[in-house]
Amino acid sequence: GAVVSQHPSRVICKSGTSVKIECRSLDFQATTMFWYRQFPKQSLMLMATSNEGSKATYEQGVEKDKFLINHASLTLSTLTVTSAHPEDSSFYICSARDATGEAFFGQGTRLTVV
Amino acid sequence: QKEVEQDPGPLSVPEGAIVSLNCTYSNSAFQYFMWYRQYSRKGPELLMYTYSSGNKEDGRFTAQVDKSSKYISLFIRDSQPSDSATYLCAMSAGTYKYIFGTGTRLKVLA
Repeated sequence: GAVVSQHPSRVICKSGTSVKIECRSLDFQATTMFWYRQFPKQSLMLMATSNEGSKATYEQGVEKDKFLINHASLTLSTLTVTSAHPEDSSFYICSARDATGEAFFGQGTRLTVV
Repeated sequence: QKEVEQDPGPLSVPEGAIVSLNCTYSNSAFQYFMWYRQYSRKGPELLMYTYSSGNKEDGRFTAQVDKSSKYISLFIRDSQPSDSATYLCAMSAGTYKYIFGTGTRLKVLA
């Protein structure tokens, strides 16, 4: 099946700093990628839809200035958590759809803000 | 009421048992139903995908959808310790947006 690579898998940062997470579709082009957040023992919550060459669409309650999304190419989307706070600590997962519409997920990034 | 309800478990079964995982939903617009498996600290991987009522089988896995009752199930036959993971149901009304259940943690004991 198609592969979506997410990097880094784990990151620890200091409060107030910014962290960038990359999501790459390795063997297919993805015009749309999705960013999710998952708290322990909770479901994946869609944060935003990333569209290649245009602005991301954010879900209600997600701060667009805090979670910056860039989808610069058909194989790469980035999520930058700006001015991170301890409450931003979570598991972030990206997803990309291939031409058939099937969604493939990255390995996830565990962010810890100290 | 959540759109998708899923018992979080944990569910512990002996090796070789038949496992039944379930989700209920409230939105009758959902047309596509997926089951994902998620190992600890990893991203979800697609197990089954279906869009009609009835059963769909793939190896040891059977997905069942009952749209009239708004109820879906995943059955795992001859469960193995390697099946120990969190199983997430997901649904879509045909748009880009998937709604996920909370996931059921499954432990298959050797």
